[in-house]
Amino acid sequence: AQSVTQLGSHVSVSEGALVLLRCNYSSSVPPYLFWYVQYPNQGLQLLLKYTSAATLVKGINGFEAEFKKSETSFHLTKPSAHMSDAAEYFCAVSGDNDMRFGAGTRLTVKP
Amino acid sequence: NAGVTQTPKFQVLKTGQSMTLQCAQDMNHEYMSWYRQDPGMGLRLIHYSVGAGITDQGEVPNGYNVSRSTTEDFPLRLLSAAPSQTSVYFCASSYRGPTEAFFGQGTRLTVV
Repeated sequence: AQSVTQLGSHVSVSEGALVLLRCNYSSSVPPYLFWYVQYPNQGLQLLLKYTSAATLVKGINGFEAEFKKSETSFHLTKPSAHMSDAAEYFCAVSGDNDMRFGAGTRLTVKP
Repeated sequence: NAGVTQTPKFQVLKTGQSMTLQCAQDMNHEYMSWYRQDPGMGLRLIHYSVGAGITDQGEVPNGYNVSRSTTEDFPLRLLSAAPSQTSVYFCASSYRGPTEAFFGQGTRLTVV
């Protein structure tokens, strides 16, 4: 079964600094990978997805992620953090019938 | 365009009570699913459905039932509520299969 592991339950950055949220996956087949964002008291919103078309995937709000098969990773980055990026971020992998999520990383942005 | 609508938003139950969490989508999506979200555990899949009349179990199905009589609706039933079912529940749908899911706003359930 597919699974993802997010490294770091909390990440804190200063406004304007690089954001790096880590995700490693386990899959016996080429995976479909996703990053979702959750703002307080809301549902999850899709940031970006990898479906094997390109290894560097660009998403909304300036985020991007790179699929690295050799490292089984799909880390999320943003060059310059904004206060509005403060949220919880989830990595997910989908199989034939289900989607499995990581435990989440809470991003704090300091002024 | 409503998307995925969950009701109620908040609910308090006593141990042993039963209730149904409602989920409806207006996007004609084939695939629907229920997750529970607990601190430090991310989202865990309870049940899913690949189409009307077809449901299957996810990671944590015990204590929950689902049915899918129409494409639009996918209710989640708690048979006999337990404090361990205190959680935030999310319904999600996607066009076909578990990709690009659209999520509802969640139902915060407390079992006392």
